[in-house]
Amino acid sequence: DAGVIQSPRHEVTEMGQEVTLRCKPISGHDYLFWYRQTMMRGLELLIYFNNNVPIDDSGMPEDRFSAKMPNASFSTLKIQPSEPRDSAVYFCASSLGGGHTQYFGPGTRLTVL
Amino acid sequence: GDSVTQMEGPVTLSEEAFLTINCTYTATGYPSLFWYVQYPGEGLQLLLKATKADDKGSNKGFEATYRKETTSFHLEKGSVQVSDSAVYFCALSADRGSTLGRLYFGRGTQLTVWP
Repeated sequence: DAGVIQSPRHEVTEMGQEVTLRCKPISGHDYLFWYRQTMMRGLELLIYFNNNVPIDDSGMPEDRFSAKMPNASFSTLKIQPSEPRDSAVYFCASSLGGGHTQYFGPGTRLTVL
Repeated sequence: GDSVTQMEGPVTLSEEAFLTINCTYTATGYPSLFWYVQYPGEGLQLLLKATKADDKGSNKGFEATYRKETTSFHLEKGSVQVSDSAVYFCALSADRGSTLGRLYFGRGTQLTVWP
């Protein structure tokens, strides 16, 4: 079974550039989550969707961050413009039902120079 | 609000030592409780879970019991191996309200096992 797929796995960009991270959840899952992980702040929930609808985006750090889920099999997290402090590992996760086991992707390691 | 507190790391043990990582929670209602593990360079993966009071979750020699009276879900393993070196996260799920669907994670505990 294919797990959660994220792309790219690594992204290096320069400050001010637009960055788009992509996620394909496990087929049939109705919840999708975006997390950010840094040494300083640990694992932070940025936003999550239920049936493609954003439920809680209170973790999105600033207006520079946006996320979409145009259909049940695809989501994007966009940062525009990017800043060095956005450097982190970004994880996507999905689950079948709320409050149940979340399955994480391998993450995208973002470096903003 | 709902939250999880787990012991600060790092934890360093010798192979075959006994492991305990403490986790306590604050929640309304009856949350489910989880332990996730993250190996270097990978995403988090479920280690074990418990969905109601007094349930014991177990996997790969790890165990944790859902204690409602002490609001705890401590992770234990009788004999750790070098391959258990990883970061361990305690988490709870909200079972009601506006945050239904999300998990609340602890800060993570780094475990290093030496041969």
